[in-house]
This record gives sequence, C-alpha cells and structure tokens, in this order.
Amino acid sequence: GAVVSQHPSWVICKSGTSVKIECRSLDFQATTMFWYRQFPKQSLMLMATSNEGSKATYEQGVEKDKFLINHASLTLSTLTVTSAHPEDSSFYICSAIRDTNTEAFFGQGTRLTVV
Amino acid sequence: AQTVTQSQPEMSVQEAETVTLSCTYDTSENNYYLFWYKQPPSRQMILVIRQEAYKQQNATENRFSVNFQKAAKSFSLKISDSQLGDTAMYFCAFTALNRDDKIIFGKGTRLHILP
Repeated sequence: GAVVSQHPSWVICKSGTSVKIECRSLDFQATTMFWYRQFPKQSLMLMATSNEGSKATYEQGVEKDKFLINHASLTLSTLTVTSAHPEDSSFYICSAIRDTNTEAFFGQGTRLTVV
Repeated sequence: AQTVTQSQPEMSVQEAETVTLSCTYDTSENNYYLFWYKQPPSRQMILVIRQEAYKQQNATENRFSVNFQKAAKSFSLKISDSQLGDTAMYFCAFTALNRDDKIIFGKGTRLHILP
C-alpha cells in the first residue's frame, strides 16, 4: 500500500512559539491531503482539506491564522501551529489520497505538547 | 450534513469469539463509501474494510466482514475468531462521492480482546 510519512512523531515546544508538522506521501502523488486533530480517547476531527497549489479549506471553528497549512507540492503538506498555547496540545494526523474517492492513507501522527 | 454514529463506546470479548460493532450513518447522498478503520495503541490508522454504497454484496476481508443495510443506513463490522491483536479503537467512517473527498468519522468503539 501507499506510504504517508509524518514528521516529527512528537514535539515539545514552549508556549508562544510556532511548530511545523510535515506530511509526505512517499510513493505516490497526493491530490488531496487532510489534517485531523485527535484528543485523548476521542475521534478524529477534521481541521482542513488541502490541495496542491491552492488555499486550504478549513472546517468551521478552526482558526486559519492559528493553523497554517501549506501544500507546496503533490507530495508535501505542512501544518504550522502558530503562537502555540497549552490548549493546542494534541495528536495531529494527516492523510492523503491518490485520486478522488480512493482510499485515504494516514501518517503515523504527531503528538504536540506545548509547555 | 453527514453524520456517523457508533453507539458502543467500549466492548470486550474473549479471544476466538465473534464480535459485532455497530454503526449507523445519515446522509442525503446516493453514492458514497463506508469504511471501518482500526487504531491500535500505536495510533496508526489502518483501513480494515471498505464498502461501496452501490454494491449490494457485503465486503469481506478474511476475518472481517460487514453487514451493509443501505435502506436502514446501517454498517456493522463483524470480527470472527477474534485475536489479541484486534484490540484497538475502531472507527466507522463515511465519504461521499463528490469533489471534497472528506472522510467523516464516528466517535469510535474501543474493543478489548481478552485472553
């Protein structure tokens, strides 16, 4: 199956700093990538949909200026949490699809802790 | 808007037994996919099984099978001969065959396989 790599797997940052999470499709070109947030023992909450070369589409209630998404190429999307605060601490997961309406492949997730 | 409901937050079964996880969904779409994803303690999302709504035949993958009732909007997962490695969170998910390819997840069922 296709591989999606997410980096870093975990990160600790100080309050007020920004942190970037990368999502790469290693062996296919991803037409669309998605970013999710998962709180402990809860489901995945879709944050935004990102397509290469265009602005991300954010879900209602997700702050665009707080969670910056850049989809610079067909194999890379990045999520930057700006001016991070402890309440941004969470597990962030990306997924990528190769063509429309096909299987989504997930990264291994990034655990962000803001101290 | 589409919704996915999993009414069983947690279940436990003995190893080798059969277990059924419930899922209902709501949509006005006619063409869509339904999925069951497994999230083990590693938190890597793994696709267990997929069902295309236009197919009447229930999908099967080895020990995993679904009971897809389109009229009732029900999509249950049956795990036969359960194994200790099946212990995980299981998420039912939906995506419509339109342009946005978003996957909507249920809240999940935590499944414990007991030795």
